[in-house]
Amino acid sequence: QVQLVQSGSELKKPGASVKVSCKASGYTFTSYAMNWVRQAPGQGLEWMGWINTNTGNPTYAQGFTGRFVFSLDTSVSTAYLQISSLKAEDTAVYYCARLSAPERGMEYYYYMDVWGKGTTVTVSS
Amino acid sequence: EIVLTQSPGTLSLSPGERATLSCRASQSVSSSYLAWYQQKPGQAPRLLIYGASSRATGIPDRFSGSGSGTDFTLTISRLEPEDFAVYYCQQYGSSPPVFTFGPGTKVDIK
Repeated sequence: QVQLVQSGSELKKPGASVKVSCKASGYTFTSYAMNWVRQAPGQGLEWMGWINTNTGNPTYAQGFTGRFVFSLDTSVSTAYLQISSLKAEDTAVYYCARLSAPERGMEYYYYMDVWGKGTTVTVSS
Repeated sequence: EIVLTQSPGTLSLSPGERATLSCRASQSVSSSYLAWYQQKPGQAPRLLIYGASSRATGIPDRFSGSGSGTDFTLTISRLEPEDFAVYYCQQYGSSPPVFTFGPGTKVDIK
């Protein structure tokens, strides 16, 4: 079945880096872009951006440039989110989510149809 | 940038009742770019509705979406115990590409 399996929880000190992985299975990895979504404790969902899994080209949302890097290893159908110079405010659950963008009747639809279970990143001294 | 507002913030209802959740956009949104998600505590969001009114695979028909332009609605016809959760609307904007989520509506048990 189609699924996204994310790496486990991380506890990091301020200033450190973290790399979260998201392994896809059950579908052709390069046929769907991958989104990253952040959810701070008790807060809503925030789109961080996406990466084109065919070209490797990333798109970052406002507020997620500089310290945030999306990457891929298509040989193992895995997307990565790396965050450097971690701050306490980076403490959150990070989700990967597949982008589905089918065309039906001359219209394109955009939505996130498959989600990983999330990776909790805690930044604390 | 399009801002989504959801109301009410919290909806307190009993099982069997009808839930009506609103999502309002600051500018007109293409219906094909509007989706709804359900999130239960400790779980990832789950796609319910895409294209404003199309149910995702496996979603019960008690969930329905409607609306156009700036006003969209998610309706749960008869609440089941497993439907008590937070619901988010989301829109996609193409220039530049951006996804925006609403702040969410929590449906809790009265």
